[in-house]
Amino acid sequence: DTGVSQDPRHKITKRGQNVTFRCDPISEHNRLYWYRQTLGQGPEFLTYFQNEAQLEKSRLLSDRFSAERPKGSFSTLEIQRTEQGDSAMYLCASSSTSGGAYEQFFGPGTRLTVL
Amino acid sequence: GESVGLHLPTLSVQEGDNSIINCAYSNSASDYFIWYKQESGKGPQFIIDIRSNMDKRQGQRVTVLLNKTVKHLSLQIAATQPGDSAVYFCAESGGHYNTDKLIFGTGTRLQVFP
Repeated sequence: DTGVSQDPRHKITKRGQNVTFRCDPISEHNRLYWYRQTLGQGPEFLTYFQNEAQLEKSRLLSDRFSAERPKGSFSTLEIQRTEQGDSAMYLCASSSTSGGAYEQFFGPGTRLTVL
Repeated sequence: GESVGLHLPTLSVQEGDNSIINCAYSNSASDYFIWYKQESGKGPQFIIDIRSNMDKRQGQRVTVLLNKTVKHLSLQIAATQPGDSAVYFCAESGGHYNTDKLIFGTGTRLQVFP
């Protein structure tokens, strides 16, 4: 257990529905990242926050995707009008920019299946 | 549980042997590199990292080698154990010491047999 938690662990939804995932990072970490992983591939970067500011978004993040980190602690990732191609594992990671240790610690992921 | 890496390159080793997993990275400007281990149904687990001003770093039973000339990274695992069986990913960062996104390689599945 890295200390990063994600909820839910699994989500099955029908095409066209909206879904929201939550990530709770390690408490003292100021950076929070979202990645997506499909079977047989490495994680792909989606977006990241430093505190509450969203600093970068990937081209993979279409306008149906939105992420927030309103108080600089937990984050939510919402997918609107889900498509079958959205089926993947959504991973959250956190890191700290202080203290000399920069590694990103990953949560267990949320597995999304769109029917 | 979740199955990771159904069609990945596979390295099979006997318990107790040393393992070497290789990775080619893409961005010559990358200055931070990490190896992650991912077991089925779990998120990636940090193993070891290395900065671009180094060419070797050792941890407990693991060593990472960096060859910037050919943009190659390797992970050596000494005395491989059954618990080392997993998918291993290398990742690079183009920002200043992991303050930016990670770009992951395709991964290698390590299978350890008795």
